[in-house]
Amino acid sequence: NAGVTQTPKFRVLKTGQSMTLLCAQDMNHEYMYWYRQDPGMGLRLIHYSVGEGTTAKGEVPDGYNVSRLKKQNFLLGLESAAPSQTSVYFCASSLLGWSNQPQHFGDGTRLSIL
Amino acid sequence: DAKTTQPPSMDCAEGRAANLPCNHSTISGNEYVYWYRQIHSQGPQYIIHGLKNNETNEMASLIITEDRKSSTLILPHATLRDTAVYYCIVRVALSEKLTFGTGTRLTIIP
Repeated sequence: NAGVTQTPKFRVLKTGQSMTLLCAQDMNHEYMYWYRQDPGMGLRLIHYSVGEGTTAKGEVPDGYNVSRLKKQNFLLGLESAAPSQTSVYFCASSLLGWSNQPQHFGDGTRLSIL
Repeated sequence: DAKTTQPPSMDCAEGRAANLPCNHSTISGNEYVYWYRQIHSQGPQYIIHGLKNNETNEMASLIITEDRKSSTLILPHATLRDTAVYYCIVRVALSEKLTFGTGTRLTIIP
């Protein structure tokens, strides 16, 4: 049982390039989330999805797009990467969005924008 | 979400119980207390959560005071692998996000 898997684990981009981060979960969870973690700031929610075909904005959505075409996958896209998007990105999933159901995290994607 | 306050760092001897405190004096009646930890640069790992009753699982115990204004995470027999940053989070009902603060850096001493 792999849980939440993120690919790639590391990536270096040049300013202006685009890329997509992939998150896959095998727990049949309805809810999926993308966070970013920056030094001294904790995790901040970028976008989330409450089910296949749905997406919603979190607290720091600007510069990112997401898609949830399949229940098990949640993609995070950077259309034109900026140095401010250098961060560690974490994907998480939960069975539903109720407050008594924990979120389970992947091991992150470390992204550097030069 | 209610704000939480944790000590920035703690040490604990290997084999002893590690007791990590958390204050959440503004917690509301429908907010759960969650604990996660982050080992080195890995993803946050869920440990335990509770509403008002004490909870125990294979990893830890969670003690919530009767007024719910504070809680303590207990790792009963700490090992070196428990060295990590521990986050106490309160989560309001139907809130999608988890708000991570700066946590407590727990160091297990051999």
